[in-house]
Amino acid sequence: GAGVSQSPSNKVTEKGKDVELRCDPISGHTALYWYRQSLGQGLEFLIYFQGNSAPDKSGLPSDRFSAERTGGSVSTLTIQRTQQEDSAVYLCASSSPTAYEQYFGPGTRLTVT
Amino acid sequence: SQQGEEDPQALSIQEGENATMNCSYKTSINNLQWYRQNSGRGLVHLILIRSNEREKHSGRLRVTLDTSKKSSSLLITASRAADTASYFCATDEGRGSTLGRLYFGRGTQLTVWP
Repeated sequence: GAGVSQSPSNKVTEKGKDVELRCDPISGHTALYWYRQSLGQGLEFLIYFQGNSAPDKSGLPSDRFSAERTGGSVSTLTIQRTQQEDSAVYLCASSSPTAYEQYFGPGTRLTVT
Repeated sequence: SQQGEEDPQALSIQEGENATMNCSYKTSINNLQWYRQNSGRGLVHLILIRSNEREKHSGRLRVTLDTSKKSSSLLITASRAADTASYFCATDEGRGSTLGRLYFGRGTQLTVWP
């Protein structure tokens, strides 16, 4: 595809349920990032994958959050036992091996009721 | 934390006027980027300025960088209603040329009235 895609675009879930958010980066982009944005706030870094290197997980807010990237392409962010404070827009971005610019997907709006 | 801070938080102007937004950060950087966001969804990259550059232009955008003051400004000239959006500055961690996470501020909400 031409850009970064994310699915679903919206997700409503009940407190305590697990959710999976998917990101499909731009083909050839070796770096993939997950950010979270709460209403009216800036972007909060969650996790960063670069090629085959160990991911930078320093931004994950708790052990309920995990992410994986299969085959160096698609990534899944999993939130277990969701809480109301997890409600936010989850944004995925990718970048090419030689550039600093990040290309963002449209985001997944997660609402935990 | 390296997080940038944009100023002002909100800016309201008429079409045709210029809009200036400022960004300050805390530690050394390799480069600084500006992004635009419409309606709380995906961000769009606007412009990148390297730490050894002082000014850069792209169309109606002009970005300046003052590394001694750890600040940057984004100027949008001859604004249009379509420029209405949130604008964010983003910095890296400044360690050599390693790609990695970006640090975003809370953004400036620009409203351009027709």
